[in-house]
Amino acid sequence: QQQVKQSPQSLIVQKGGISIINCAYENTAFDYFPWYQQFPGKGPALLIAIRPDVSEKKEGRFTISFNKSAKQFSLHIMDSQPGDSATYFCAASKQTGANNLFFGTGTRLTVIP
Amino acid sequence: NAGVMQNPRHLVRRRGQEARLRCSPMKGHSHVYWYRQLPEEGLKFMVYLQKENIIDESGMPKERFSAEFPKEGPSILRIQQVVRGDSAAYFCASSPPAGGYNEQFFGPGTRLTVL
Repeated sequence: QQQVKQSPQSLIVQKGGISIINCAYENTAFDYFPWYQQFPGKGPALLIAIRPDVSEKKEGRFTISFNKSAKQFSLHIMDSQPGDSATYFCAASKQTGANNLFFGTGTRLTVIP
Repeated sequence: NAGVMQNPRHLVRRRGQEARLRCSPMKGHSHVYWYRQLPEEGLKFMVYLQKENIIDESGMPKERFSAEFPKEGPSILRIQQVVRGDSAAYFCASSPPAGGYNEQFFGPGTRLTVL
């Protein structure tokens, strides 16, 4: 059972455009939602994370939008650059008890010059 | 401040051999998680450990797989009698002691190939 669903599977964006990746979750006990960036042959790197007490968090060109009632959250990459080309994973976890991360299936982003 | 360290980075084993993967968490981190990533897939949780304790092993296969995090030294993920289906990237993550948010930092992974 996939607890976090992610879309699209792949995304091609022109340089300077906006990349948008969407995730949905089932478990209402989740209260921590990070996004990870992974380059080929590397481990996932924490990019940005949000908690459900806010609806949006912005760090530089990266923004997370969170909709608690719809159980959805998304990553927006503004002014996308070729260096942003990577696979992006959303994830969710609980802060107490078993707090392992449940990952989405990943989105392969390609930013073309 | 060194990040999470994993070794070896690449490991080749023949069917039936044992694979031993090591993970040293970030300095000051006492929680270790192991995840497995199959090609073109997301990461799947395997086990969560604190020093000398297995906290949650709900994602571990029931047979052939074991993990430990001793008082001294790295965390070890051990796979006995490997099969081709064990070929994957295995990632270790660490997080600070409880009280903060669950920010998990990942190592570079060990890519296991079973011939």
